[in-house]
Amino acid sequence: GENVEQHPSTLSVQEGDSAVIKCTYSDSASNYFPWYKQELGKGPQLIIDIRSNVGEKKDQRIAVTLNKTAKHFSLHITETQPEDSAVYFCAASPLDSWGKLQFGAGTQVVVTP
Amino acid sequence: NAGVTQTPKFQVLKTGQSMTLQCAQDMNHNSMYWYRQDPGMGLRLIYYSASEGTTDKGEVPNGYNVSRLNKREFSLRLESAAPSQTSVYFCASTFTGGGYEQYFGPGTRLTVT
Repeated sequence: GENVEQHPSTLSVQEGDSAVIKCTYSDSASNYFPWYKQELGKGPQLIIDIRSNVGEKKDQRIAVTLNKTAKHFSLHITETQPEDSAVYFCAASPLDSWGKLQFGAGTQVVVTP
Repeated sequence: NAGVTQTPKFQVLKTGQSMTLQCAQDMNHNSMYWYRQDPGMGLRLIYYSASEGTTDKGEVPNGYNVSRLNKREFSLRLESAAPSQTSVYFCASTFTGGGYEQYFGPGTRLTVT
């Protein structure tokens, strides 16, 4: 089955700096890669996703890049703000798997003013 | 729309007791999922239901049973709770014919003593 590794486990950044989280996956059949943000005491919420026919996707200060050959994908957050502090999870899935996602272990991001 | 709701929010059980976690969604989604979240391990899939009337095992099904009561509701049952089942449980739903975004409930924090 799919195995997703996520690094780093914790990330401290100064407000205004960029943050990068990296994930690798093992199953070449995976073609859907979402990123979820989890705030304290809440359920995860999708912030951006990418499919394997696209190499990069941006949404305001957030971007995701995908390298299918190397089987890794990354989340980039620019101009970080205190409200970006949260746990971020990457995940991977084949699109025909009834939505089953394999999650990474998560990255605790702390943005200090 | 309430989205995905879960009850209860908190529960403490003694070893050997049983309980059912309830989940409901009002988004007309066809697929529903149960995850458990443990520190440093991300979200792990317990069971899922691809559509009304079907259920299937995920990564960590032992000690759990599920029921897809109707399209809206998906319950998780612990027949004989064990301390290893102390965790935060999340229910999620998605429309697998659409964008594949999973919508998560607020979670149930379960402690087994």
